[in-house]
Amino acid sequence: AQKVTQAQTEISVVEKEDVTLDCVYETRDTTYYLFWYKQPPSGELVFLIRRNSFDEQNEISGRYSWNFQKSTSSFNFTITASQVVDSAVYFCALSENAGNNRKLIWGLGTSLAVNP
Amino acid sequence: NAGVTQTPKFQVLKTGQSMTLQCAQDMNHEYMSWYRQDPGMGLRLIHYSVGAGITDQGEVPNGYNVSRSTTEDFPLRLLSAAPSQTSVYFCASSYLGGGAITETQYFGPGTRLLVL
Repeated sequence: AQKVTQAQTEISVVEKEDVTLDCVYETRDTTYYLFWYKQPPSGELVFLIRRNSFDEQNEISGRYSWNFQKSTSSFNFTITASQVVDSAVYFCALSENAGNNRKLIWGLGTSLAVNP
Repeated sequence: NAGVTQTPKFQVLKTGQSMTLQCAQDMNHEYMSWYRQDPGMGLRLIHYSVGAGITDQGEVPNGYNVSRSTTEDFPLRLLSAAPSQTSVYFCASSYLGGGAITETQYFGPGTRLLVL
């Protein structure tokens, strides 16, 4: 069965620290997509990244980086030199590329607090 | 592009009242969906649609109806509101990737609903 686990419910760091948010997934499919979304205190859901299962290259976007490892079924998200504006809930999600798949599988989210 | 818009932003209902949450997108996305978000429970899919005239149930459809008469609009109807439907409701849309949900979903700003 499909499943996404974000084991860290809450993380608290001090500004400028690096922080890694874990995402572990389960899927039977060989073709699938993984996503990360950010939900700041204002409440909207903001798309961060989409990665397909055939692309294992790490991705870097400014202070954000993602480490995709199929061997451990993980798609972890690292924020370098965290800032107060990074405080948010972060969600990881999975979608299998099955013809009749109409649902994303969501993790429960990790709440990140970056303190000044 | 306005993206995904939702109205109202906040609503208070009494038990037994009915109402419609509006959702519209201007990106010509085939797929539209409704989620509810409750503390500690992540995002749960209520209903979704893969095109005008086609809707289907998600994980938690009871108490909600949907219809899709146009590509742009996907309203969610609460037939007889109950306190258990107090939640934040998000509408999302995306392209369909070969028929499956593999493309990025874009979310509206959400509707906070309180049922007394």
